[in-house]
Amino acid sequence: DTAVSQTPKYLVTQMGNDKSIKCEQNLGHDTMYWYKQDSKKFLKIMFSYNNKELIINETVPNRFSPKSPDKAHLNLHINSLELGDSAVYFCASRHEMREQYFGPGTRLTVT
Amino acid sequence: QKEVEQDPGPLSVPEGAIVSLNCTYSNSAFQYFMWYRQYSRKGPELLMYTYSSGNKEDGRFTAQVDKSSKYISLFIRDSQPSDSATYLCAFERDSNTGKLIFGQGTTLQVKP
Repeated sequence: DTAVSQTPKYLVTQMGNDKSIKCEQNLGHDTMYWYKQDSKKFLKIMFSYNNKELIINETVPNRFSPKSPDKAHLNLHINSLELGDSAVYFCASRHEMREQYFGPGTRLTVT
Repeated sequence: QKEVEQDPGPLSVPEGAIVSLNCTYSNSAFQYFMWYRQYSRKGPELLMYTYSSGNKEDGRFTAQVDKSSKYISLFIRDSQPSDSATYLCAFERDSNTGKLIFGQGTTLQVKP
């Protein structure tokens, strides 16, 4: 059983396009996160939702907009994609004050 | 000064060697200290978690925290080829939000 899943796994798109990445967790966790990992493996938090409420909103371009329709899902929509958005995006989830479980990642390439 | 410093390596060792991975940090407010392991093209997975100075052991892995020096280490004994991965130190200041600050990661290769 997949605990934290992301779709798609790979996304290749052109500059200026709008794209979405979806995340689902079946662990019953109440907090979900989006991270960005750059080409040097540096992993940085972007957003977090707790029970559909935004609790972490790091300094990211407002072209990035997270949406949480329910506590099992957290989506990331990116408008007007730029070359610098190329990275691996990870979703993670956590229950109360315990460890975070990461998804397999979505590898985004902007050409 | 960066909040977290971690030597990216790469680090290459022979099978059976003892591996030492290190991170330094500058934020005294960090309360929780973690090590994540990330295999190629996979998501990070939690390896070790501690919140106090001292050592914590789990099998071949030992996590060490020195809050006074703002320094954490991960030791791997009897390293195996299956330990080849990127190791990320991570720090948490506020357990309510779970916001993690990661080091850059050290890539380790264990050669048979």
